[in-house]
Amino acid sequence: AQKVTQAQTEISVVEKEDVTLDCVYETRDTTYYLFWYKQPPSGELVFLIRRNSFDEQNEISGRYSWNFQKSTSSFNFTITASQVVDSAVYFCALSEPGYNNNDMRFGAGTRLTVKP
Amino acid sequence: DGGITQSPKYLFRKEGQNVTLSCEQNLNHDAMYWYRQDPGQGLRLIYYSQIVNDFQKGDIAEGYSVSREKKESFPLTVTSAQKNPTAFYLCASSIGSASTDTQYFGPGTRLTVL
Repeated sequence: AQKVTQAQTEISVVEKEDVTLDCVYETRDTTYYLFWYKQPPSGELVFLIRRNSFDEQNEISGRYSWNFQKSTSSFNFTITASQVVDSAVYFCALSEPGYNNNDMRFGAGTRLTVKP
Repeated sequence: DGGITQSPKYLFRKEGQNVTLSCEQNLNHDAMYWYRQDPGQGLRLIYYSQIVNDFQKGDIAEGYSVSREKKESFPLTVTSAQKNPTAFYLCASSIGSASTDTQYFGPGTRLTVL
C-alpha cells in the first residue's frame, strides 16, 4: 500500500532563514505522481506542485524548490529566505495511475511557523 | 472567477441531526471529492465522484452520504450515524477522473457538533 511520511510535525524558523520540509513515500509502482499543497490558516489547500516519477529534475519556482530523489523515495520541499506569509501547514501527497480515485494519499502535514 | 465554493464556512449541529454541506465548482471539472481533516492529521477521503450520477465510497464513508445530480455540485450529508462528525471538511475537484489529476480545493467547512 502506498504511504506518505512527513516526519516533521512542526518547524519554527526566523524570517529569512531557509527551511526544508521532508517527504518520504512508499509505493510499489514505477509510475506515480507526487504533490505538495499549502494550507494557510484560512484552511483552503493551495496546490504547489505535481511531479511524475519519470521526471527527477529538481524544480524551482521563485523561493520554492523541490528535490526529488527516487533512490531515497523522497520529495523534499525547500523555502529559501522564508517569510511570515509562508507560515502554514504543508502536505505532501502521492497518487498512482490505473487505480481508483481514492488512491491519492496525504501525509500528516508539517506545520511551518515563520517568526518575524 | 473560476473556483470551488463551500458553504457554510462554520456549521454547528446538535447531536442526532443530519446536516448537509454544500460544494459547488465552476471549473467544468469532471471529478469531485470530499475529504475530512482532523487536527494534526492529513486528509482522509470520504466520497468521490468521477461523473454525474455516479459516486464511490472512500476510506471513511460510514455515516456520510452524497449525491451528484449536476456536474458542478457535490453536496455531502453528515448523518446522525456518523459517531464523531466534528471536523474540517474539504471539497475538491479535478479536471479528469484519473487518480493522478491535480485536485483543487475549496475553502472548507468547519463542522462542530454541540
